[in-house]
Amino acid sequence: QQQVKQSPQSLIVQKGGISIINCAYENTAFDYFPWYQQFPGKGPALLIAIRPDVSEKKEGRFTISFNKSAKQFSLHIMDSQPGDSATYFCAASSGSNYQLIWGAGTKLIIKP
Amino acid sequence: KAGVTQTPRYLIKTRGQQVTLSCSPISGHRSVSWYQQTPGQGLQFLFEYFSETQRNKGNFPGRFSGRQFSNSRSEMNVSTLELGDSALYLCASSLTVNQPQHFGDGTRLSIL
Repeated sequence: QQQVKQSPQSLIVQKGGISIINCAYENTAFDYFPWYQQFPGKGPALLIAIRPDVSEKKEGRFTISFNKSAKQFSLHIMDSQPGDSATYFCAASSGSNYQLIWGAGTKLIIKP
Repeated sequence: KAGVTQTPRYLIKTRGQQVTLSCSPISGHRSVSWYQQTPGQGLQFLFEYFSETQRNKGNFPGRFSGRQFSNSRSEMNVSTLELGDSALYLCASSLTVNQPQHFGDGTRLSIL
């Protein structure tokens, strides 16, 4: 019940296209859902996060869509650029125990 | 504002030795969490400290320990190193608990 399932494992998108990464969870106590971006040799960097009181949050080209009833959330990267090539992680935590539970990661490659 | 600083960046040890990793959080941040990242297991939570007290601990053996000092700097120690301890160890800091976590670039530990 603590798991966060992330898909796909890898993704290749053409430059200018939309990249979509999905995550699903079981624990209904989760109330914080961040996405992190990690480049080789670097630590994960917080990209965008959402709480379940909203269904969508947009920051620049990055959008989180959240479906509370389906217990799913996704990251959309619009107008994907080669510089977006990285590994993306979704995560979740609950307010009572701020311990991030991580998805397995998606390696995104944007082809020029 | 300086980010999370982890030292050393790389470390090579042999089985049976012990190791201490250091983390300096972002100035003003009082919560520090540690994670282990491996290709097989992904990101796994080790422990979290706030105001020098361990708030949460992940599912790791007692060989893994940590502490936090009054200036919020944190150290983690691994004793009796095993080959399977080879990993990237990441430290993350946040203003307080239940706040967005910001990661350092990690310490790459290799066990020979």
